[in-house]
Amino acid sequence: EPEVTQTPSHQVTQMGQEVILRCVPISNHLYFYWYRQILGQKVEFLVSFYNNEISEKSEIFDDQFSVERPDGSNFTLKIRSTKLEDSAMYFCASMGYLNTGELFFGEGSRLTVL
Amino acid sequence: ELKVEQNPLFLSMQEGKNYTIYCNYSTTSDRLYWYRQDPGKSLESLFVLLSNGAVKQEGRLMASLDTKARLSTLHITAAVHDLSATYFCAVASGTYKYIFGTGTRLKVLA
Repeated sequence: EPEVTQTPSHQVTQMGQEVILRCVPISNHLYFYWYRQILGQKVEFLVSFYNNEISEKSEIFDDQFSVERPDGSNFTLKIRSTKLEDSAMYFCASMGYLNTGELFFGEGSRLTVL
Repeated sequence: ELKVEQNPLFLSMQEGKNYTIYCNYSTTSDRLYWYRQDPGKSLESLFVLLSNGAVKQEGRLMASLDTKARLSTLHITAAVHDLSATYFCAVASGTYKYIFGTGTRLKVLA
C-alpha cells in the first residue's frame, strides 16, 4: 500500500541551526501539507502546497519556515534558525482525491532543539 | 477562523461500556475526518464524513456528522482495551486547510 515517508525520524539540533525535514508523498498525490504536534498536544496546521506554491499557511508559519518541492518527489520543510519552541513532531501529509479530501500522514519527524 | 473543539479531553472507561466523543466546529463545513493516534505514532485515518447525515461504522466505532449543528460524534460500543488511543476529529476549511480538534485521550480499562 502506498505510503508517505519522512526523514529523519528524529533530529537533534542546537538552537539557531537550520533544519530540513524531508517527505516523499504518495506518488500520484497533488496536495501536500505540514503539521506539527508539540508533545501531547493538538495537531497544528502549518502549510499546504499545491501546484508548486503555497496554498495556505498558518500564523505559525513565519519567515523562519519555508517549503519546497525540489525534484517532483520530495517535499521539504526548512526551519532557518531553530528555536527551543520548535521542538515538536512534524507530520507530512498528502492528499490525492478531492472527492474525499482524505489526508494520508507520514510517520513524523521528531525535532529536538537544545 | 475555524475552531474545532472536542469533549471530553480525557476518557477512562471500562471494557464493555459504551461512550460518545463529541466534535464541535465553529464555521460551515461539510467535510469532517476522524483519526486515531497511538502514543508516539502517526495519525491513522478512521472515517471520512462528507455530507450532512453521513454515518460510517467500522467494528466498535461509529461516526456521524450533523452539518447544521456543526457536530460530529464518534460512538464507541462495548469498548475493548485495543481501542485505547487518542482520537482527533479534523474539519476541512476549503481545499487547502484542515483544522484538528483538541483530541480525546481514551483509556479502556480491563
